[in-house]
Amino acid sequence: DTGVSQNPRHKITKRGQNVTFRCDPISEHNRLYWYRQTLGQGPEFLTYFQNEAQLEKSRLLSDRFSAERPKGSFSTLEIQRTEQGDSAMYLCASIRAGNTDTQYFGPGTRLTVL
Amino acid sequence: QQQVKQSPQSLIVQKGGISIINCAYENTAFDYFPWYQQFPGKGPALLIAIRPDVSEKKEGRFTISFNKSAKQFSLHIMDSQPGDSATYFCAAGEETSGSRLTFGEGTQLTVNP
Repeated sequence: DTGVSQNPRHKITKRGQNVTFRCDPISEHNRLYWYRQTLGQGPEFLTYFQNEAQLEKSRLLSDRFSAERPKGSFSTLEIQRTEQGDSAMYLCASIRAGNTDTQYFGPGTRLTVL
Repeated sequence: QQQVKQSPQSLIVQKGGISIINCAYENTAFDYFPWYQQFPGKGPALLIAIRPDVSEKKEGRFTISFNKSAKQFSLHIMDSQPGDSATYFCAAGEETSGSRLTFGEGTQLTVNP
């Protein structure tokens, strides 16, 4: 399978705990995006990387959120001190920079904060 | 500020009918307009996309109509099938903003057999 993969697929945690999600993009794609999707809504942009550089962060990305892409390949999204409002589907997408024709999405990580 | 507005929120059509979903945008800098299909528990999958230099694009049963002056675009699904039952999202992107996508609120389509 050469698509975008995300792990874990589901995460249940208690309020106040830290969680980390991983995204593996399509191998030749140098641009990687994180989105958040709540029930009944469209995905909302959080941040994106070109290679290892984080180029933009949404105002939705509070200080409790941090994303990294240390070697320009996989990326991690960490949420510290989770809150119930963080419960959502976290989606990763990748693309080759300069090609806006198709942003490929992974299956997402569904986070439930109890 | 909601930059892409989508309607209707839900749509029920009979098998063989035409499904039409509409979107309107505000940012005239958008230069890429994709439609995504999403099934429960899955990530969005690209269905069809258009750029503002054309007014219509057709791929199989799916057609995008684009009206640049009205800042509107729509998805038409011809000969709708029960397997088309899913949530559809329009989106808009801008290369100068890193191609991040702004999505509409989604339309839940149900095609009855």
